[in-house]
Amino acid sequence: AQSVTQLGSHVSVSEGALVLLRCNYSSSVPPYLFWYVQYPNQGLQLLLKYTSAATLVKGINGFEAEFKKSETSFHLTKPSAHMSDAAEYFCAVSDRGGSQGNLIFGKGTKLSVKP
Amino acid sequence: DAGVIQSPRHEVTEMGQEVTLRCKPISGHNSLFWYRQTMMRGLELLIYFNNNVPIDDSGMPEDRFSAKMPNASFSTLKIQPSEPRDSAVYFCASSLATGGPYGYTFGSGTRLTVV
Repeated sequence: AQSVTQLGSHVSVSEGALVLLRCNYSSSVPPYLFWYVQYPNQGLQLLLKYTSAATLVKGINGFEAEFKKSETSFHLTKPSAHMSDAAEYFCAVSDRGGSQGNLIFGKGTKLSVKP
Repeated sequence: DAGVIQSPRHEVTEMGQEVTLRCKPISGHNSLFWYRQTMMRGLELLIYFNNNVPIDDSGMPEDRFSAKMPNASFSTLKIQPSEPRDSAVYFCASSLATGGPYGYTFGSGTRLTVV
């Protein structure tokens, strides 16, 4: 069965510092991978997704993620944090084997940005 | 595209009352999902539909919860009778399929408070 693990339920960075949110997946074949962001009092919105051979995926708001098969990881990064990046981030995995099943979400990582 | 539309945005009800949450998915999306989010339990998948047919309701917590999708453009989640522990934010999401590369589009949620 697929699963996704997000390391660290809370991450705090200073404004301007690198943001690194970790996600590891468990799947027998390379899956589809997603990052979602949830701002306070809002729904989840798609930040970026990995669905092809391009291992470095760029998303909205300057975020990017790199798919590393050897490490079964899909970590989310942003070179310089803004105060507006404070939110909860969810990694999710979907089976590449077809359109069955559903997205499996991680437990989320809350990002705090200090001035 | 208006996105996934949920109503109401906020609902306050007394214990024992019936609560109905509504969702209009994105036109053309074949799959619909109901989630519940709380601080304690995080994001939980309650039930999902494909082509208006319930596929998996194993996440529905009790018989007090029921969900219907009478047509491709409307779904309801009903709680009868409601209890204080049902207080949560309920999200509806839709997608072109239950899995695969598409990801889900979430609504803004309904914040339910049962007093």
